[in-house]
Amino acid sequence: AQTVTQSQPEMSVQEAETVTLSCTYDTSESDYYLFWYKQPPSRQMILVIRQEAYKQQNATENRFSVNFQKAAKSFSLKISDSQLGDAAMYFCAADSGGYQKVTFGTGTKLQVIP
Amino acid sequence: GAVVSQHPSWVICKSGTSVKIECRSLDFQATTMFWYRQFPKQSLMLMATSNEGSKATYEQGVEKDKFLINHASLTLSTLTVTSAHPEDSSFYICSARPAPGDGHEQFFGPGTRLTVL
Repeated sequence: AQTVTQSQPEMSVQEAETVTLSCTYDTSESDYYLFWYKQPPSRQMILVIRQEAYKQQNATENRFSVNFQKAAKSFSLKISDSQLGDAAMYFCAADSGGYQKVTFGTGTKLQVIP
Repeated sequence: GAVVSQHPSWVICKSGTSVKIECRSLDFQATTMFWYRQFPKQSLMLMATSNEGSKATYEQGVEKDKFLINHASLTLSTLTVTSAHPEDSSFYICSARPAPGDGHEQFFGPGTRLTVL
């Protein structure tokens, strides 16, 4: 089985500042993928960033980056220069290849304060 | 990027009727499609996984006779909520995955809001 835990139900950040969202996971697989998804009020799920477990280098997508600590099974998301449009629910997710399915965390609601 | 559509985007039905939701991958072939249910302010709960041409695999606790899933082609999967009741009211989201080896990314539909009166 695989589990994903997000311990921060809500977070807030001042516009233009940096915020980090936490996520831990557990899986018995050696080959897996980790994701951060954003769900704005429209409820459309949007992929923010993806990390392959076999890659040691942390993934980066513009203002979004991750801190992937494989031994600690931690996968945090850093949002730099936060913008009002970043306000949304953020879900951490794990996909262990053997299960052919994605497990989502409970989500973190991010508020961006102007 | 890959696009997944869902139809309808919202539906209201009477208790006891059946409702069909379509999920289409518009610009790629989806070997696997997933159906999720999301309650307000909660996470996505996987209901079932379907592979084209085979029976869906349902998650524990999901009634397969109530939530009928058909994945008849590589671009279309349908979810039919049979004999719907008010407790079936929810937001249903589908996702589609292209052929294996594509980084395991899923592409999500915009969701369907079902309200059962």
